[in-house]
Amino acid sequence: EVQLEESGGGLVQPGGSLRLSCVASGFSFGGYGMNWVRQGPGKGLEWVSGVSGSGSTTFYADSVKGRFTISRDNSQNTLYLQMNSLRVEDTAIYYCAKAARGYSGSRFDYWGQGILVTVSS
Amino acid sequence: EIVMTQSPATLSVSPGDRATLSCRASQTVSSNLAWYQQTPGQAPRLLIYDASIRATGIPARFSGSGSGTEFTLTISSLQSEDFAIYFCHQYNNWPPYTFGQGTKLEIK
Repeated sequence: EVQLEESGGGLVQPGGSLRLSCVASGFSFGGYGMNWVRQGPGKGLEWVSGVSGSGSTTFYADSVKGRFTISRDNSQNTLYLQMNSLRVEDTAIYYCAKAARGYSGSRFDYWGQGILVTVSS
Repeated sequence: EIVMTQSPATLSVSPGDRATLSCRASQTVSSNLAWYQQTPGQAPRLLIYDASIRATGIPARFSGSGSGTEFTLTISSLQSEDFAIYFCHQYNNWPPYTFGQGTKLEIK
């Protein structure tokens, strides 16, 4: 059974930093692309960032480029999102989502339960 | 960036009836479109991918159709657990992946 479990969220002041983690199980982690998708309060889904199975290729939404860094440790089956220079508008539930393929344009076939990040003074 | 537009924003349907949800892309996405269901407090769940293929474990009452820029999700006979928010998602032109704003399916 595929499982994705996020952690590391919480309350942070504007300009602060957080690192999210997503521990995966139930599949060959290094064989699949992984993504972060967020959902602001009462809003829809916004793709934030993605990484290839090997970790060598990364992608970012314009809204987070230069502030967020995605990475993965395939030996620990863990996906990360380092978030710096946080803004109030980054407040959201952050989901990690597994791509159905290595990373070549893919649906997201499994999602974690999400972790809340609140940016507020 | 491809903009995905879903309609209607809210759809009121009686249990047992059919529901038809629409998703339009600002430019062609071929058949690279997925549908997700989200119930309150839960993560999205993949229902349909490649426009018309049901994901593993999804009941046959869910069906998807369309290609290019116009897509439809049909739920043939609504069950109580189907009242949720539905999102479409294009994965043809990326980054960025883009989602529709969602259709809330509510009980009439």
